[in-house]
This record gives sequence, structure tokens and C-alpha cells, in this order.
Amino acid sequence: AQSVTQPDIHITVSEGASLELRCNYSYGATPYLFWYVQSPGQGLQLLLKYFSGDTLVQGIKGFEAEFKRSQSSFNLRKPSVHWSDAAEYFCAVGPFRGGYNKLIFGAGTRLAVHP
Amino acid sequence: DGGITQSPKYLFRKEGQNVTLSCEQNLNHDAMYWYRQDPGQGLRLIYYSQIVNDFQKGDIAEGYSVSREKKESFPLTVTSAQKNPTAFYLCASSPGDRGYYEQYFGPGTRLTVT
Repeated sequence: AQSVTQPDIHITVSEGASLELRCNYSYGATPYLFWYVQSPGQGLQLLLKYFSGDTLVQGIKGFEAEFKRSQSSFNLRKPSVHWSDAAEYFCAVGPFRGGYNKLIFGAGTRLAVHP
Repeated sequence: DGGITQSPKYLFRKEGQNVTLSCEQNLNHDAMYWYRQDPGQGLRLIYYSQIVNDFQKGDIAEGYSVSREKKESFPLTVTSAQKNPTAFYLCASSPGDRGYYEQYFGPGTRLTVT
């Protein structure tokens, strides 16, 4: 069955430190992969997406992610975290045949940033 | 500005009452979705609609109903049959065109039932 796993529920980093959020997926075909960010009490904002081509994709707010097919992973990275990056991050995979562009979301990783 | 509007932001109801959450989009998107979000569980799909007058059950449709009479509107009714309705509800839309699958989200409605 298709699934998305975000192994880290909570991560705390210091401001200015580098960040890597992990995402592993189970999917029977070539996946489309997404990272979204959610501030408390708000909707989700798309950070970046991978459809095909270059496996290193750049997104907004200085984030990037690398697709590794052999590891079924799509980890999100940022070289230097800012206090405003504190939020919850969701990885998603899709679509599904006949599934009306359905996406499956991971459970999320909550990021805290220490000053 | 184009976007997705959900109203109200906070909603309070007594147990046993039906309640309807509004979702409107002016992005001219074909597909619309409703998700429920609970702490530590990510997003779970309730219903989705690819075109007007058509919608499909998602993973947790029991106790919910929807309609899609207009392209820009996709209201969600939480019925009294929903056993645990207190949650954060998110509406999303996507263009629906082949090869263009990202979803755009509204700000959400927090429903509290007591």
C-alpha cells in the first residue's frame, strides 16, 4: 500500500544551524513528491515539488529537497535555519491511478528553533 | 487576489447538531478536497471532487457529506453521526489537469463540538 513516513515527530535546532527533515515513501510507480509547511492554526503552503528530471529541487524560503529513488526518500534540507522556520512540515506523495490527484501525507515533523 | 477562503475560522456546536463548513475558491480549479487534521495524525482525506456535481469518498467519509453544485464552492457538512467531530478542517483545490497535481490549501476551520 502507498504510504509516507516521516520518522521524526519533533526536531529542535539552533538558529543558523543546518536542517534535514526525513521523508520515506512507499509507492508502486514513479512518484510525484511534495513538501508543505504549516504555521500554527494556518493552512498548508507548498514549499517545493518533484515531478521528474533533476533530483535536487529548489523551493521557496531557501529550502531544497533531494529525491533518491534507491532509498525511496525525499528529504528536505536548509543550510541555515531562521527562527521563522519554526512550523510543522509535511511530506506528501501522489497521484494515484484513478484517484483524482489524491495525495497521501505523512504525519508531519514539528520543527522548533532555539535562538 | 486568487485563493481559497474557508469560513468561519472557529466554529462551536453542541453535540447532535449538524454543521456546514464553507470552502470557496477563485482559482478556477477543477478539483477540490476536504481534509481533517488531528494532532499527530497528519491530514486525512474526507471527500474530494474532480468536477461539478461529482464527488468521491475519501478515507474517512463516515459522518460527513458534501455537495459540488458550483465549480468554486465545496461545502462540507459534519453530521451528528460523526463520532468525534472536533478537529481542524482544511479545504484544498488543484487545477486537475494531467501532470499538475499540487494542492493549494485554505486557512482552515477549527470545529469544536461539546
